[in-house]
Amino acid sequence: DVKVTQSSRYLVKRTGEKVFLECVQDMDHENMFWYRQDPGLGLRLIYFSYDVKMKEKGDIPEGYSVSREKKERFSLILESASTNQTSMYLCASSSQIWGRGGLRTDTQYFGPGTRLTVL
Amino acid sequence: GNSVTQMEGPVTLSEEAFLTINCTYTATGYPSLFWYVQYPGEGLQLLLKATKADDKGSNKGFEATYRKETTSFHLEKGSVQVSDSAVYFCALSRSGGSNYKLTFGKGTLLTVNP
Repeated sequence: DVKVTQSSRYLVKRTGEKVFLECVQDMDHENMFWYRQDPGLGLRLIYFSYDVKMKEKGDIPEGYSVSREKKERFSLILESASTNQTSMYLCASSSQIWGRGGLRTDTQYFGPGTRLTVL
Repeated sequence: GNSVTQMEGPVTLSEEAFLTINCTYTATGYPSLFWYVQYPGEGLQLLLKATKADDKGSNKGFEATYRKETTSFHLEKGSVQVSDSAVYFCALSRSGGSNYKLTFGKGTLLTVNP
């Protein structure tokens, strides 16, 4: 079974703190993703990585950065946490497959999520 | 750009009722389509998927058929159980361009009462 783990299920931080969220996958997947999930807004992609040291901005990268030094690990960093970053953060990983029309992401496998509260 | 529209919730049903959650999409090319489920307090799990037109994905009694002519991927189950209470997300991935990403709908909360 594919396993994606996240370092914390619940986290409480103060405004201005630097926050690290860690994600590890054990399936040798090329792609890793960070999403945030908010009521009424669904899942929104923050950043993704398609290889070690490679990253691309998603739909809402402002206020976040990421690091991927090893294939199995993808970190999300909040440089200076703010209250509007209180949310559920979900990590995912996937392999790449060839489909009709070219390369595409295969099924994404999600971790259990980290509920971050910034006070 | 790509988009997924799924029916607004919440949906409340009695046990053994028939379920339909509508999902339509906008995408160029040949997207793959997915349904994910999120049980309370957990991350998302893949429920089923279809990779080309007229494919039917199925799992745990749930089914969805990839209809290119109507750009739809509606989720159905003939007889729901209390344990099916969860949030359901429709999603697509496409090749070319932003091929790394899934585009998600906003989710539909399903509550099944005994």
